[in-house]
Amino acid sequence: AQSVAQPEDQVNVAEGNPLTVKCTYSVSGNPYLFWYVQYPNRGLQFLLKYITGDNLVKGSYGFEAEFNKSQTSFHLKKPSALVSDSALYFCAVRAVSTGGFKTIFGAGTRLFVKA
Amino acid sequence: DAMVIQNPRYQVTQFGKPVTLSCSQTLNHNVMYWYQQKSSQAPKLLFHYYDKDFNNEADTPDNFQSRRPNTSFCFLDIRSPGLGDAAMYLCATSISRGGSQETQYFGPGTRLLVL
Repeated sequence: AQSVAQPEDQVNVAEGNPLTVKCTYSVSGNPYLFWYVQYPNRGLQFLLKYITGDNLVKGSYGFEAEFNKSQTSFHLKKPSALVSDSALYFCAVRAVSTGGFKTIFGAGTRLFVKA
Repeated sequence: DAMVIQNPRYQVTQFGKPVTLSCSQTLNHNVMYWYQQKSSQAPKLLFHYYDKDFNNEADTPDNFQSRRPNTSFCFLDIRSPGLGDAAMYLCATSISRGGSQETQYFGPGTRLLVL
C-alpha cells in the first residue's frame, strides 16, 4: 500500500544552521514527490516537486530536496535556517493506486527556528 | 496583480444542500487543483484539471465534483454536504512544463461550514 511518513513531529534548529525535514515513502512504481509549507495563520504554499531528472530539486525560499530511490526518501533541506522558516511542512507522494492516481500527504513536521 | 481568487472566503451551507465553491485565476495557468484541508489535518488533493482534462484522485468521494468552463474558472461542487465536509477548500494553479520545474500558486481558500 502507498504511504508517506514524516518521522519527526517537530524539528528544532538554530538560526543560521542547516535544517533537514525528513520524509520517507512507500509506493509501487515511480513516485511523484512534493513538499508544501503552511505558515502560521496563512494558507498552504508549494515548495517543490520531483518527477524525474536530477535527484536534487531546488524550490522556493532557498529550499531543496533530494530524491533517494534506494532509501525511498525525499528529505527537505536548507543550508541556513531563518526564523521566518518556522512553519508546518508537509511531504506528499503521488503514485498509481487502485482506481487511479492517489496523492498521500504526510502528517506534517513543525519546524521551529530559534534566533 | 495576477492571482488566484476564491469566493466566498466563508461559506455556510446546510446538511445535504448542494454548494458550489468558485476559483478564478488571472495567471493563465493550464492546471488547476482543488484541495481539502480539515482542521489540524494534512491537506488532501481532491482532483485537478490539466487543461480540460479532469483528473480525479482515486479516493475522492463521488459527492465531490468539479467543472472548468474555461481556463480562468474552476468550480467545486459538493452535491450533498455532510458534517464531515466542513473544511478549508484550497484552489491552486500551475503551469505545467513537464519534469520537476513547476510551482503551484494557492488561493486564500474558502472555509466551508455545514450546519
